[in-house]
Amino acid sequence: GAVVSQHPSRVICKSGTSVKIECRSLDFQATTMFWYRQFPKQSLMLMATSNEGSKATYEQGVEKDKFLINHASLTLSTLTVTSAHPEDSSFYICSARGTGPNEKLFFGSGTQLSVL
Amino acid sequence: AQRVTQPEKLLSVFKGAPVELKCNYSYSGSPELFWYVQYSRQRLQLLLRHISRESIKGFTADLNKGETSFHLKKPFAQEEDSAMYYCALSESTNAGKSTFGDGTTLTVKP
Repeated sequence: GAVVSQHPSRVICKSGTSVKIECRSLDFQATTMFWYRQFPKQSLMLMATSNEGSKATYEQGVEKDKFLINHASLTLSTLTVTSAHPEDSSFYICSARGTGPNEKLFFGSGTQLSVL
Repeated sequence: AQRVTQPEKLLSVFKGAPVELKCNYSYSGSPELFWYVQYSRQRLQLLLRHISRESIKGFTADLNKGETSFHLKKPFAQEEDSAMYYCALSESTNAGKSTFGDGTTLTVKP
């Protein structure tokens, strides 16, 4: 079945550095991917919609210059947390929407970001 | 604005008992509702969606537009049903931008 690979699963970085998270759709092409943030014991909050070949659409309150999204191919979207601060520490999840028989959301396994 | 409410953070039942996970929504348009499940140490995955009118792993959910609800039900809970369940609402039939509820942790005791 369709799988979404998210990497890395866990990253620890120093304050002020940038971190890149990759989301790949395996065995299917995803023109649209979504990035979420999840705080402990809370729901997934949509951060942005990543569209292949065009600019991402950010949700209200999400800083586009802080969370850079690139969707350069039909199977890869990246989220870069720039100049990370401790308050950016969170669990980030991506999902990809397939087409045809795979027309539903497939989720990555998530990335736990810890900023020291 | 669309909103999904799952009133129970925790739900515990005994094996073989019926279980119902509640979900209420608010949305001005015609919604597409989904239930997602996350088993321990696994990723989130789709359980079922209202448009398919399917039963997955014995679970069913009926969209009640009058009560704006999409409760998830199973007549006889099993221990392997223990997981986190999220109700979600999408603006379109192809699971586009979705709003998730806070989730309900279901524990099925032996």
